[in-house]
Parts: sequence; C-alpha cells; structure tokens
Amino acid sequence: EAGVAQSPRYKIIEKRQSVAFWCNPISGHATLYWYQQILGQGPKLLIQFQNNGVVDDSQLPKDRFSAERLKGVDSTLKIQPAKLEDSAVYLCASSLVLGTDTQYFGPGTRLTVL
Amino acid sequence: AQTVTQSQPEMSVQEAETVTLSCTYDTSESNYYLFWYKQPPSRQMILVIRQEAYKQQNATENRFSVNFQKAAKSFSLKISDSQLGDTAMYFCAFMIPLGAGGTSYGKLTFGQGTILTVHP
Repeated sequence: EAGVAQSPRYKIIEKRQSVAFWCNPISGHATLYWYQQILGQGPKLLIQFQNNGVVDDSQLPKDRFSAERLKGVDSTLKIQPAKLEDSAVYLCASSLVLGTDTQYFGPGTRLTVL
Repeated sequence: AQTVTQSQPEMSVQEAETVTLSCTYDTSESNYYLFWYKQPPSRQMILVIRQEAYKQQNATENRFSVNFQKAAKSFSLKISDSQLGDTAMYFCAFMIPLGAGGTSYGKLTFGQGTILTVHP
C-alpha cells in the first residue's frame, strides 16, 4: 500500500514570494491533515479536512495561508506572501476516518524563507 | 485546551539496553487516545504505539511498551533491547476521539519531543 505522498521535498523562496505544497493521502482515507513543524518543536495542526470539507482551520493564518481539497482526494496548501517565520517542515497526514483512526504521515516539505 | 509535556529534551542509551521516555498531559476529557510517534532524521513520522484511555491494559508492540497512568496523566514509553535504528526524535501525542464533544476531535496535540540517541 502506497503511503502519503508529498511534493516538493524541499523549497527555498524569498520572503513575500508565494509557494504551494501538494499532498496525496493514502487511497481511501477520508481525512487529511496539514501540520506545521518548526525546527525543534512538535507539529502543530493547521487544517483538517473530512473528504472535501474543512473540519478545523482555527490555527491556519488565513491572511496568508490557504488550503483546498477540491475532489476529496489530494490537497494543496499555499502560502502567499511568505514570511521568514514560515520556515518549517509542512507535514501532511491522512486517516481512514475522522477522530478515531491512526494518522499516517508523509515525508514532509522543508520550506526555507530567506 | 489539551497540553502535552515531554520533560526530557535528549536521552541516550547503549545498544541492547532499556530506556524510558517520559510524557505527561493535561486534559479534562475522560475519553482520549495517546500515541508515541518516532521521527528519524529522514523526517518521516512513524507510529510506534497507541493507547486508548478506556483500556486499563498497557499497550505493547514488540520491544516497545507504555506505562499508562490515567490518574497521574502520565504516558511513558519503554524501549527494550535498544537498537541503532531506534535513534530518532520521539513525540508523545494526544487526541480526542469523535463523539467526545466539541470540535477539536481528531486533532493530534504533540509534545516538544525527545531526541533519543542509541550508541553502539
């Protein structure tokens, strides 16, 4: 069974530029999560989807971050414009059902904002 | 709000020995799940073990076992017969399951992590 796929693995941009990350969850997983992991810290949830609907985006900085999961499968997370403090690893995870199932993580995208 | 605390930033152990990583959490919920995840230097987060709060029996997975003390809100991970491949950052995490109420179910709340180094 294929795991959670993410791309790109690494991205370096200048501040105020835009960037987008892509995630393809495990086949059949209804729930998808985006986490931000700043170096030396535990991941923090940004947004979670159930199929193509948003369940929780309370921690997403909506003035610059956006995410979508239009067809209920893969998802895109965008930052526009990026700030220095957005430098982090962005992890995508998926689970079969919401709220009870184990979350499986992708390899992450390491973003460096200069 | 739930919080998870890992008080050991770094730990080291000799190969084949046993090590215990500590985790405490704070919640007013009675039904929840606890997890230990491992994040090797390659960065892929891998589930190590999972414990449902309603289960009194401590979870075990091969060389990994937990000591779950619900009243003390403590959830430690014991690694027996440590191997070089166990070297990684270990995260304790908490989740409220669906049906427990509110809108924060399904979200993992992580601790700060413990870097474990296994020496040959």
